[in-house]
Amino acid sequence: DAKTTQPNSMESNEEEPVHLPCNHSTISGTDYIHWYRQLPSQGPEYVIHGLTSNVNNRMASLAIAEDRKSSTLILHRATLRDAAVYYCILKVNRDDKIIFGKGTRLHILP
Amino acid sequence: GAVVSQHPSRVICKSGTSVKIECRSLDFQATTMFWYRQFPKQSLMLMATSNEGSKATYEQGVEKDKFLINHASLTLSTLTVTSAHPEDSSFYICSARVAYSSYEQYFGPGTRLTVT
Repeated sequence: DAKTTQPNSMESNEEEPVHLPCNHSTISGTDYIHWYRQLPSQGPEYVIHGLTSNVNNRMASLAIAEDRKSSTLILHRATLRDAAVYYCILKVNRDDKIIFGKGTRLHILP
Repeated sequence: GAVVSQHPSRVICKSGTSVKIECRSLDFQATTMFWYRQFPKQSLMLMATSNEGSKATYEQGVEKDKFLINHASLTLSTLTVTSAHPEDSSFYICSARVAYSSYEQYFGPGTRLTVT
């Protein structure tokens, strides 16, 4: 699996936007960029995924660099419930396995 | 949305006994299920991949005789921790991949195992 690099932790104020970066310089042309998050004492939940174009859904936006070597997960207005570990994962479309890295622990300050 | 359940949510067992954890996809069929283990403050570690009706594929370093996985139907997989020891205490999480889908995978809420 191609490797991703994320900051260990980040802080943000409540009700402000949060930009969570992910570097994946060895990404291949068939790798999809997935984001999952894990709230305390829960299983991970899917956030968003994309291939080349930026993506939006009700939870977040995903901005993908033109060379695809990095991406940014954007939470438009963070709430206390968004405090979690966010994982950026590369996954080939036909590959079954999701391999988790260390992720970014996001702290939201009230 | 798709829901994956796990039972029990937490279990305490004595050293040397076996414990079974169930993982169910409640509103979809899952040809493939995955089992992960997570120690405190660490990331999830994939233990094994199970396909319905066939033997599980274990990741390197995971003892298949200790962690027995059965995936007898499209909605149920079980993980049995045999002869549990305190070092097996962990958070066990399953996930299920939607049948015939290339990316939709959903995670259960996890099972907290404590071996005394």
